[in-house]
Amino acid sequence: GQQVMQIPQYQHVQEGEDFTTYCNSSTTLSNIQWYKQRPGGHPVFLIQLVKSGEVKKQKRLTFQFGEAKKNSSLHITATQTTDVGTYFCAASGAGSYQLTFGKGTKLSVIP
Amino acid sequence: NAGVTQTPKFQVLKTGQSMTLQCAQDMNHNSMYWYRQDPGMGLRLIYYSASEGTTDKGEVPNGYNVSRLNKREFSLRLESAAPSQTSVYFCASRGRRDSAIGFGSGTRLTVV
Repeated sequence: GQQVMQIPQYQHVQEGEDFTTYCNSSTTLSNIQWYKQRPGGHPVFLIQLVKSGEVKKQKRLTFQFGEAKKNSSLHITATQTTDVGTYFCAASGAGSYQLTFGKGTKLSVIP
Repeated sequence: NAGVTQTPKFQVLKTGQSMTLQCAQDMNHNSMYWYRQDPGMGLRLIYYSASEGTTDKGEVPNGYNVSRLNKREFSLRLESAAPSQTSVYFCASRGRRDSAIGFGSGTRLTVV
């Protein structure tokens, strides 16, 4: 299956600071998806990126897909306590039904 | 419309016992998945079923079997549970190969 590396594994920020998590692959991705898992919950789909260089925004969240379609990032501006959780990227190989998840970045927000 | 429903939510097994985790989806999705989640390991794919009648191994299939009973249901069986199978198990489904995946609420399994 597709391999995706995600960094950092943990991030502690003061409320109001920005946060970024990165996802990298050694091969070209057809698309990449991002999910959020709140503590004790299940992963919930946030967004999918398909095009090279694509940038999408959801309020304070900005998602980018690299020009070579081998990396992606999620940036949160001015974090809030409601942003706490683990953020995962996920990708499939071309033509594959498998969806492989990165190990996730666990975000803690200190009030 | 309940989405993806998993049972049970919690289970404690003794080493060597067997059990089946049940999963059903009511979204008419073609593909279904079983993942396990362990601290620091993210979500690892155990088995998946691209469509009714097919099943394939994922990243960590050893010690597990699956059955795609019909389009709605996809069960995961542990024939002889081991402490290394202590984990949170998530069932998931999606309609198209490139669409978002929807998860059940999970089964927290402890093997003692």
